Amino acid sequence: AQSVTQLGSHVSVSEGALVLLRCNYSSSVPPYLFWYVQYPNQGLQLLLKYTSAATLVKGINGFEAEFKKSETSFHLTKPSAHMSDAAEYFCAVSFFSGGYNKLIFGAGTRLAVHP
Amino acid sequence: ETGVTQSPTHLIKTRGQQVTLRCSSQSGHNTVSWYQQALGQGPQFIFQYYREEENGRGNFPPRFSGLQFPNYSSELNVNALELDDSALYLCASSFRLAGGPSTDTQYFGPGTRLTVL
Repeated sequence: AQSVTQLGSHVSVSEGALVLLRCNYSSSVPPYLFWYVQYPNQGLQLLLKYTSAATLVKGINGFEAEFKKSETSFHLTKPSAHMSDAAEYFCAVSFFSGGYNKLIFGAGTRLAVHP
Repeated sequence: ETGVTQSPTHLIKTRGQQVTLRCSSQSGHNTVSWYQQALGQGPQFIFQYYREEENGRGNFPPRFSGLQFPNYSSELNVNALELDDSALYLCASSFRLAGGPSTDTQYFGPGTRLTVL
């Protein structure tokens, strides 16, 4: 069964510092993996996705993530944090069954960026 | 390209009432999924609709039901509302090739915030 674990419900960084948000997954089949961002009182916006092509995936707003099968990880990084990056970040794995697919989300990591 | 839209933005109901939430899928998409996001949690899958039929369901009771229309828009209906139904309800659309699973990315709408008193 697929599942997602996000390590750290809250992460705080200084503006300009490296952002690292951790995600580990469990999947019995090669996974499709996603990172979404949610700003306050808004829906989810897709940051990037991994669908078994290149293991280093580049997304929007300078974010990227690396798929590491040996570590079952899909951590999200950004070299230099900006104040506007403050939001909730969700890692998700796609689960396929009986002709439909659903996203299984982690509990989320709230990123705070301070001056 | 029109994104996913949802209505209403906010809704307040009382226990026992019924509610209908609406979603218009992104242009070119034919599959709609609904998720419930309780405060402080990740979204939970409710069900998915394709070709006007429910083709997948999460761990939600039958009082959660839905519809998909020929234009691929969708409704989520919740009967006999309970306090725990208070949440953000998210709709996501994607594209599925005929005869195959929907493997494409799901794009989310802004959500409907439901408060049950």
